[in-house]
Amino acid sequence: GAGVSQSPRYKVAKRGQDVALRCDPISGHVSLFWYQQALGQGPEFLTYFQNEAQLDKSGLPSDRFFAERPEGSVSTLKIQRTQQEDSAVYLCASSYNLKGGQYFGPGTRLTVT
Amino acid sequence: GNSVTQMEGPVTLSEEAFLTINCTYTATGYPSLFWYVQYPGEGLQLLLKATKADDKGSNKGFEATYRKETTSFHLEKGSVQVSDSAVYFCALRLPFYSGAGSYQLTFGKGTKLSVIP
Repeated sequence: GAGVSQSPRYKVAKRGQDVALRCDPISGHVSLFWYQQALGQGPEFLTYFQNEAQLDKSGLPSDRFFAERPEGSVSTLKIQRTQQEDSAVYLCASSYNLKGGQYFGPGTRLTVT
Repeated sequence: GNSVTQMEGPVTLSEEAFLTINCTYTATGYPSLFWYVQYPGEGLQLLLKATKADDKGSNKGFEATYRKETTSFHLEKGSVQVSDSAVYFCALRLPFYSGAGSYQLTFGKGTKLSVIP
């Protein structure tokens, strides 16, 4: 069956550009998570949605990062005025509910030059 | 704060060797513990989990036992295959009564395993 998909898989941005990363969760999954994975590190939590409500954005590293899920399905992570330290793999995960396992997408590798 | 510490890699083993990847954690309360695997070019996949002390999670020949007394969740496999080559991540999730942040996963840094024929 269809898993979590993310696009683009790779993104190269010049410093200062804005980027938008898309996540398509598994159909029917209420919970959606974004994580950031720096090279050689484990994923780190960024933000969490329950349906369209963003219930936790405590992991977003700065106000340049913004996430939305307006209709409770597809989510977009936007990074404004990208910096080199934003280079990482951005992972999206979804789960049926909070107690369920989180299913991860393949990630978007962002490189800021 | 909550954290997960894994043994550093990379780990290189011959096919059919015994595998142990150590994982210890620091957390308040009684977290759920997970092992995720990331094969080259793919997303993270849940390998196994345990939700309470002394639980043993198992899948595809891999096992891990939740040891509250040593705050550990070591991953083991009796006989590895070339197809097991991947990066393995240990993770925890706080219990739901912990309140805010109890749904997010906290990961270790990952351990890269290479199995050679």
